[in-house]
Amino acid sequence: RKEVEQDPGPFNVPEGATVAFNCTYSNSASQSFFWYRQDCRKEPKLLMSVYSSGNEDGRFTAQLNRASQYISLLIRDSKLSDSATYLCVVNCQTGANNLFFGTGTRLTVIP
Amino acid sequence: GAVVSQHPSRVICKSGTSVKIECRSLDFQATTMFWYRQFPKQSLMLMATSNEGSKATYEQGVEKDKFLINHASLTLSTLTVTSAHPEDSSFYICSARVPGRGDTQYFGPGTRLTVL
Repeated sequence: RKEVEQDPGPFNVPEGATVAFNCTYSNSASQSFFWYRQDCRKEPKLLMSVYSSGNEDGRFTAQLNRASQYISLLIRDSKLSDSATYLCVVNCQTGANNLFFGTGTRLTVIP
Repeated sequence: GAVVSQHPSRVICKSGTSVKIECRSLDFQATTMFWYRQFPKQSLMLMATSNEGSKATYEQGVEKDKFLINHASLTLSTLTVTSAHPEDSSFYICSARVPGRGDTQYFGPGTRLTVL
């Protein structure tokens, strides 16, 4: 079983739509959670960390459900510039580099 | 702004040659840097952890004699792909943690290696 699993998509949504991605992780001891954004042929860039209480940054909302071991990312009012691959990343142990990456969910926002 | 830089951004080389990739932390000291590899349509895979002043820690299945890592200073780690072959063609990305920003890792812009 993979450490981190994501629906690869693709998700094709119209501008202005709301879209949600889910990600599940297998290690219940995981402590840190992140969403990264990766554009085609570019490096991943941190979109937001995910906190237990959930957190919001503008149009983006991230939530963590430890009981069910999943993380979600909600994007409201999608923009064309949101088109990218969104990577779910989980760190199993603080201070170490037990970072596990999902394969990413591809989003395309259509005009 | 960028906190980690990589050089070169792209390399095309012949089979059998060695390629060195540099990873630099900008305006901060990184005692630890990480090297990843990403094949098309796949997730990032950690290759090794680079430790300043000591030997790198390699992940299972990564040949340490083929992927030489040197972390000679607090701002520079290098990855050398020795005797590269076409199957080594990939996107190589380094990352580092920024002091005071917890577990978040910041990635360099990556190096796309193509071995002919």
